[in-house]
Amino acid sequence: NAGVTQTPKFRVLKTGQSMTLLCAQDMNHEYMYWYRQDPGMGLRLIHYSVGEGTTAKGEVPDGYNVSRLKKQNFLLGLESAAPSQTSVYFCASSLYNQPQHFGDGTRLSIL
Amino acid sequence: DAKTTQPPSMDCAEGRAANLPCNHSTISGNEYVYWYRQIHSQGPQYIIHGLKNNETNEMASLIITEDRKSSTLILPHATLRDTAVYYCIVRVPGFTGGGNKLTFGTGTQLKVEL
Repeated sequence: NAGVTQTPKFRVLKTGQSMTLLCAQDMNHEYMYWYRQDPGMGLRLIHYSVGEGTTAKGEVPDGYNVSRLKKQNFLLGLESAAPSQTSVYFCASSLYNQPQHFGDGTRLSIL
Repeated sequence: DAKTTQPPSMDCAEGRAANLPCNHSTISGNEYVYWYRQIHSQGPQYIIHGLKNNETNEMASLIITEDRKSSTLILPHATLRDTAVYYCIVRVPGFTGGGNKLTFGTGTQLKVEL
């Protein structure tokens, strides 16, 4: 039982490049979330999903897109990366009303 | 979500109980107290949560005062691997405005030493 798996673990991009972060969970959770964490700050919600085929904006959605084509996967895309998007990205999943389970993060640097 | 106040740092000797306090004086009647921790370079890890009764699981115990304005997370026998930032979060479970987001403050840095 792997829980929540994020790939890649590290990535360096140049400004303007695009990339996709993958989150996979094997717990059959309905809800999935993408957060970002900047140095010395708490987690901020980017986007979330309440089920396959659904997505919704969190508190910092600008510059990101997401897709939930399969229940177990939640993809986070950066269409045109900017230095301000340098951060650690965490994916989480949960059942309704239950605590969220987090992956170990993707460390993204944009030069 | 109600605001929480935690001490920025605490030390604990290995093998001793670590007692981490949290103040949440503006908590509402339907808000739960959640505890997460984040070990360096890892994702946050759920520890325990409760409404008003004391709770215990394999990781920790949660003691909530009768007026629910404060709580204490207890790690009964702290080990070096418990060194982490501990977050106390007060919220209504499930989805509310903002999509069930967890609002992490700055937490308490617990350092367990030999």
